[in-house]
This record gives sequence, C-alpha cells and structure tokens, in this order.
Amino acid sequence: DTAVSQTPKYLVTQMGNDKSIKCEQNLGHDTMYWYKQDSKKFLKIMFSYNNKELIINETVPNRFSPKSPDKAHLNLHINSLELGDSAVYFCASSHTLVRLNSYEQYFGPGTRLTVT
Amino acid sequence: AQSVTQPDIHITVSEGASLELRCNYSYGATPYLFWYVQSPGQGLQLLLKYFSGDTLVQGIKGFEAEFKRSQSSFNLRKPSVHWSDAAEYFCAVGAPMNYGGSQGNLIFGKGTKLSVKP
Repeated sequence: DTAVSQTPKYLVTQMGNDKSIKCEQNLGHDTMYWYKQDSKKFLKIMFSYNNKELIINETVPNRFSPKSPDKAHLNLHINSLELGDSAVYFCASSHTLVRLNSYEQYFGPGTRLTVT
Repeated sequence: AQSVTQPDIHITVSEGASLELRCNYSYGATPYLFWYVQSPGQGLQLLLKYFSGDTLVQGIKGFEAEFKRSQSSFNLRKPSVHWSDAAEYFCAVGAPMNYGGSQGNLIFGKGTKLSVKP
C-alpha cells in the first residue's frame, strides 16, 4: 500500500552508462516530480509532469529525460552518466496544479545513485 | 532572488526539551510556506503548511509553526521533543496562486539536522 514507490533504491554504475529510475504513485494524483538531493542534502526540483505534460524543467542537462507512460508513473532516464550525477533522486506527486492541495507533495523513499 | 535560509545546520536538544527551528525566506510576495521532515533513509513528509489566515499553524506529530511577515520567517516549534523526532527538517516556499511563478515548484532550504539526547 506504498503511496509513492521508486526502484531501484540503490544504483551503482560507471561513467558513461545510461540508466533509468522508475517511480509509481497510487494516490490518484495528476502531477509528479523529480528532485535531486546532493551530498549536502540540498534538494532541488528537476521536473514535473501534469497530465503527461512537462511543465517545469529547471535548467537540467538534456542528458536527463523524464518519461511518463501514464498519470501514475514518471520515470527518469539518464544518458552518459557523469560523476556529478551522484545524488539521491526523489520522486514526488501531488494533485493538479490549480488547487492549493497541489502544494502538498508526497515523496518516495529516494534512489541513491552512485557514479564511479 | 527567491531563497530559503535555515541558519542552523545541526541542532541537538535533550528529550523533553522544547525546540525551535528557524526559517527565513526571500520572495517577491508572501509565498506559501511548508515544513517537511526527512527521517534517515526515507523520503520527505509534510509536517505543516501555511497558505493564508491564522499565522500560527498546527501540524502533525505535535509541531507548530508561526509565520511572521515582518521578519520573513516561518519558524517551527515543538514544546517537548521525543527521541523519534531526530531527523532532517526542511523549510520550503512555493509561489502563491496567480503570482506568476511556477505553480507547485517548491524551493527548499538546506535543512536542519535535529539530534535528540536521551
């Protein structure tokens, strides 16, 4: 009965590889997000999807591409991984962005990505 | 520029003692304000939120926060801390409706780590 789930929980890979992180929510939300938390715990939004449409892209390198097959899923694909991509990536979801409760975001447990 | 400042990186309190975590923001208007908690190895959980109205808001787990417009602050408080409150606490702001910023785009502070002594 997990609300927002992510797989894998840990991901260790080498520079130059391509990897994906999956996210699923069973809350019936319309909007999903990806955040990056760096080694200093600083949390910054990367993307959000509302009804399968990208609506925020905060100057993220185009090596990162979110893909949403449906409202309940938002996957993050990363090409040509670099050392600086090492971080914890959090998926989150909320109601549609025209109501106040859209600001109540529910977070997944995170995926710790280590690039060697 | 829009920003959130949490001046205390790490705070240690004794169990049963009171707690106040500080949060200041810089924003072009009065933003929506939030506190989230992150337990070790977990995602973030919303503790409380402020949109408008009463400046003292109550949240889950016995937490409250007070919005002070004159100080651009939204400090988190708890009268008696429990050992299970040990975690990382994040203050966040969001663009108010019809302000023109990206709706739903939360800007987070860098967090305050809370340790609780027995």
